[in-house]
Amino acid sequence: GENVEQHPSTLSVQEGDSAVIKCTYSDSASNYFPWYKQELGKGPQLIIDIRSNVGEKKDQRIAVTLNKTAKHFSLHITETQPEDSAVYFCAAGRALTFGSGTRLQVQP
Amino acid sequence: GAVVSQHPSRVICKSGTSVKIECRSLDFQATTMFWYRQFPKQSLMLMATSNEGSKATYEQGVEKDKFLINHASLTLSTLTVTSAHPEDSSFYICSALRDRNTEAFFGQGTRLTVV
Repeated sequence: GENVEQHPSTLSVQEGDSAVIKCTYSDSASNYFPWYKQELGKGPQLIIDIRSNVGEKKDQRIAVTLNKTAKHFSLHITETQPEDSAVYFCAAGRALTFGSGTRLQVQP
Repeated sequence: GAVVSQHPSRVICKSGTSVKIECRSLDFQATTMFWYRQFPKQSLMLMATSNEGSKATYEQGVEKDKFLINHASLTLSTLTVTSAHPEDSSFYICSALRDRNTEAFFGQGTRLTVV
């Protein structure tokens, strides 16, 4: 089955700085890679996703890059704001194997 | 985006009783639904995959007789935790796929506390 590793586990940045979270996956057949934001006591919310036929996707301050050869993908958040503080999860595969999560703290 | 509603959001039950959690896709028909469990400060762990009209597929280590899953219609899947014990206390989350080429939409989660 799929195995997803995510780093770092915690990330603290100053407001306005950029944040990068990285994930690797094991199943070369996986072709869908979403990123979720989870706030305390709530279900995960999709913030951006990418499919294997593209290498990069951007939506305002959020971007995701995918390197299929190396089997890794990354989330980039620019101009971070305090409301970006949450736990972020990457996932891969149809049944969505999740990474271990990154707790992002944006300091005002 | 599509809406998935999960109910109840919180439930407290006594040891030995059963609890049913519902997951509904409100504006689309879900061919597949997934059930996850999340312990505090941990990631989501897939428990089972539920396909409408067929038996659920359980992940290794998940007791199918304890976690009963029913996907009787294209808009509803239920998870019943039978003979609940304190160690079953967790955050249970469902997600639904509209079709194999769309993203998964998640419910709000159910916080189960067994006392």
